[in-house]
Amino acid sequence: EPEVTQTPSHQVTQMGQEVILRCVPISNHLYFYWYRQILGQKVEFLVSFYNNEISEKSEIFDDQFSVERPDGSNFTLKIRSTKLEDSAMYFCASKGTVNSPLHFGNGTRLTVT
Amino acid sequence: DQQVKQNSPSLSVQEGRISILNCDYTNSMFDYFLWYKKYPAEGPTFLISISSIKDKNEDGRFTVFLNKSAKHLSLHIVPSQPGDSAVYFCAANSYNTDKLIFGTGTRLQVFP
Repeated sequence: EPEVTQTPSHQVTQMGQEVILRCVPISNHLYFYWYRQILGQKVEFLVSFYNNEISEKSEIFDDQFSVERPDGSNFTLKIRSTKLEDSAMYFCASKGTVNSPLHFGNGTRLTVT
Repeated sequence: DQQVKQNSPSLSVQEGRISILNCDYTNSMFDYFLWYKKYPAEGPTFLISISSIKDKNEDGRFTVFLNKSAKHLSLHIVPSQPGDSAVYFCAANSYNTDKLIFGTGTRLQVFP
């Protein structure tokens, strides 16, 4: 079964550094998402992306965050200047049609020290 | 943001018995509900969904019930199996938004 793949599985960075989290969505999917889960908290929506542009974003997704689909396969989340509170598990997700359920990757654990 | 609540953080059920996981929501605009299962070190895996025009949806051992007047949904797993041991998340969204709102999850343990 096709999978959403995320790399790296764990990223450690120092506060203030830039990080790029990478995702390869399922190949025929058109809708792409990032969610995050801070330890002990809910899975939270960050951003959705369709037709090469952001379709919706949460209040968490401020100017420090950006997303990009640089080619036909990758979907990236960049955090420009990381803060301690950005430490979380970041999940990429995709779906093929507007009415289908999301398929999630296994996540990247980001630790900001 | 408490729009989706799972009030039971954990549930323990004997193998072969029924597991019932509950979820309450407050936003009457929600019209689509999903259940996801999550194992440690993995992402959420879609299990089953239900639209607000239905009150029941069944897929094998999994059945989701929706009570719109009570703003409550439940997931029934029968018979429960040890491999069902995981964290189960309820999620919801409405027609005018693309984001899923997740509950806090219920950890199900199925013991032999």
